[in-house]
Amino acid sequence: QVQLVQSGSELKKPGASVKVSCKASGYTFIGYSINWVRQAPGQGLEYMGWINTNTGNPTYAQGFTGRFVFSLDTSVSTAYLQISSLKADDTAVYYCARDQSYMTYDCWGQGTLVTVSS
Amino acid sequence: QSALTQPPSASGSPGQSVTISCSGTSSDVGAYNYVSWYQQHPGKAPKLMIYEVTKRPSGVPDRFSGSKSGNTASLTVSGLQAEDEADYYCTSHAGSIGMFGGGTKLTVL
Repeated sequence: QVQLVQSGSELKKPGASVKVSCKASGYTFIGYSINWVRQAPGQGLEYMGWINTNTGNPTYAQGFTGRFVFSLDTSVSTAYLQISSLKADDTAVYYCARDQSYMTYDCWGQGTLVTVSS
Repeated sequence: QSALTQPPSASGSPGQSVTISCSGTSSDVGAYNYVSWYQQHPGKAPKLMIYEVTKRPSGVPDRFSGSKSGNTASLTVSGLQAEDEADYYCTSHAGSIGMFGGGTKLTVL
């Protein structure tokens, strides 16, 4: 079945970097964009952007430029989210989601909790 | 881009119907028939409930329905059940980037 499996929880110190993975299975990876969504503790869903799995071209939403990088390894059907210069308010659950078409997210990863604390 | 506007809360008794609104602009909700709704239970990943304004994915009960009028989309849950208590989020296509509503907490009284 179509599935996205994300890497496990991370505990990082301020200023460090983190890389979250999102491995796809059950479908042809190239052809469906992967989107990233942030959810801070007790807050709503926040759209971060997406990466085109055909071209590798990323598009970032406002507020997610500079420290956030989307990338791919199509040989292992995996998308990555890297966040550098981590701050306390980056503490959140990060989700990847497959875009079925036109921002319809039909399959989600289980979420990765990133905690930033000294 | 601006977020879509949803009421923070909604409620209803078992068996009743509840409608949650999602207000956008002529550049997003009003421009495209690509509004989706997601259900999220605490500690779980969101789940697609409605897409392309009115379509239900396989496995979603027909108690869930969607509609749109102008720049406002709506999700209606009929015959409320206890398991419908969750947070609900709308999204809309808006050109090359997506956006979410602020979310609505649905309480089943």
